[in-house]
Amino acid sequence: EDQVTQSPEALRLQEGESSSLNCSYTVSGLRGLFWYRQDPGKGPEFLFTLYSAGEEKEKERLKATLTKKESFLHITAPKPEDSATYLCAVHKGGSEKLVFGKGTKLTVNP
Amino acid sequence: DAGVIQSPRHEVTEMGQEVTLRCKPISGHNSLFWYRQTMMRGLELLIYFNNNVPIDDSGMPEDRFSAKMPNASFSTLKIQPSEPRDSAVYFCASSFIPERDYTGELFFGEGSRLTVL
Repeated sequence: EDQVTQSPEALRLQEGESSSLNCSYTVSGLRGLFWYRQDPGKGPEFLFTLYSAGEEKEKERLKATLTKKESFLHITAPKPEDSATYLCAVHKGGSEKLVFGKGTKLTVNP
Repeated sequence: DAGVIQSPRHEVTEMGQEVTLRCKPISGHNSLFWYRQTMMRGLELLIYFNNNVPIDDSGMPEDRFSAKMPNASFSTLKIQPSEPRDSAVYFCASSFIPERDYTGELFFGEGSRLTVL
C-alpha cells in the first residue's frame, strides 16, 4: 500500500535553531515529490517539486532533498514567520493525483 | 488572477440537510481536485476532473457525495444527506496538467469549513 509518513508530527524551535523535517514514502513508480506549506485557516501553498534521488531545491531558508526512500526539508536559521504546517505529497505514476502526508507542524519561537 | 475561489468559507448545518460547496478554479487550468482535510486523516483526495470530465472518484466516501463540473470555471461538491462525520475542511485545488500521467503544482483555495451538528 502506498504510504507517506511525516515526522515529527510537531516541532518547536527557537529562532535561529536549524533543523530538518522528514518525509518517508513507500510508493512504487514515484514520479515526483512535492512540499507544501499550510498556514492556519488557509489552503496549502506550493514550495518545491523533486523528481529524482539526489535532487535539491532551495528557497530562502528552506532546502529540500530527495533520496530513494525519503525527503528532507532543512530549515536554516528559522524565523517566527516560518511557523506553519509543512506537508509532503507524492505523485505516483499512472495517475495525476497527489497523496499527502499528515504534515509536520512547525513553531518557531522568537 | 484571484486564485481559486471557494464558497462558502464556513457552513454549519444539521444532520440530514443538503450541503453544496462551490469552487471557481484559476482561469486556464484544466484540472480540478476536491480534497477533504481532518486532523485524523489529513488531506484526502475525493475526486478530480480533467477538462471537466471526472477521472477518478475513488476517494468519494459514499453515494451521499457527488461532484460536478459543468464548465471549466465552476465545480460543486454536494453532500446529501449530511452527517456529523462529514465535518471537515473541504479544499478545491486547480492545476494545469499538460498530459496524462503528469501532475504539477496545485493551487488551493482557502477551503470551506463544514460543521454538521
